[in-house]
Amino acid sequence: QVQLQESGPRLVKPSGTLSLTCSVSGGSLTTSTWWGWIRQPPGKGLEWIGYIFYSGSTNYNPSLKSRLTLSMDTSKNEFSLKVSSLTALDTAVYYCARGGGDLSYVVDWGQGSLVIVSS
Amino acid sequence: EIVLTQSPGTLSLSPGERATLSCRASQSVYSNYLAWYQQKPGQPPRLVIYGASSRATGIPDRFSGSGSGTDFSLTISRLEPEDFAVYYCQQYGGSPRVSFGQGTKLEIK
Repeated sequence: QVQLQESGPRLVKPSGTLSLTCSVSGGSLTTSTWWGWIRQPPGKGLEWIGYIFYSGSTNYNPSLKSRLTLSMDTSKNEFSLKVSSLTALDTAVYYCARGGGDLSYVVDWGQGSLVIVSS
Repeated sequence: EIVLTQSPGTLSLSPGERATLSCRASQSVYSNYLAWYQQKPGQPPRLVIYGASSRATGIPDRFSGSGSGTDFSLTISRLEPEDFAVYYCQQYGGSPRVSFGQGTKLEIK
């Protein structure tokens, strides 16, 4: 079974950049599916961020696209998320995820990483 | 962007009862690309249903999904104590605009 684990700073400053990495075990990034991110503000619902395929193709939430960078490192079997120009509204639990083939539903989720944007 | 509206916001039922959760889309969901997730406190969501009616791996057959176009539902035939959670619907037919509903909390009465 594929397992996903997020890592990265828990506290970031406003106007700064959030950087998270997801380590994958029990599966390879080079399979025919996507690898991506969803976030959940404390006590609220889910928000789609985006994903990346091994081929390099991406899907970004249009409302976040200008601030997003997704990448993957197949040698380490991990993928990463960067979100720039942070505000308090970016405070959330960030989940990394594995998709259902080329369809955008989530088969596997990481445990989540709470990132707080505060000075 | 397709907006998903889930109802009710909270559903209070007892173990053994039948639960029906609704998800209505603001426009037709392409190819019925509609998923349901279950989330318990402090845990990530878990895929329950995809393609409107296909159960995910390991999901008991008391869970069923139905619907098409703009109206979808998740039914739990006989509630078990472990089924009480928040449920989210997600449409993924409007890529890149994937969207989630706001959630329905299923609580013990």
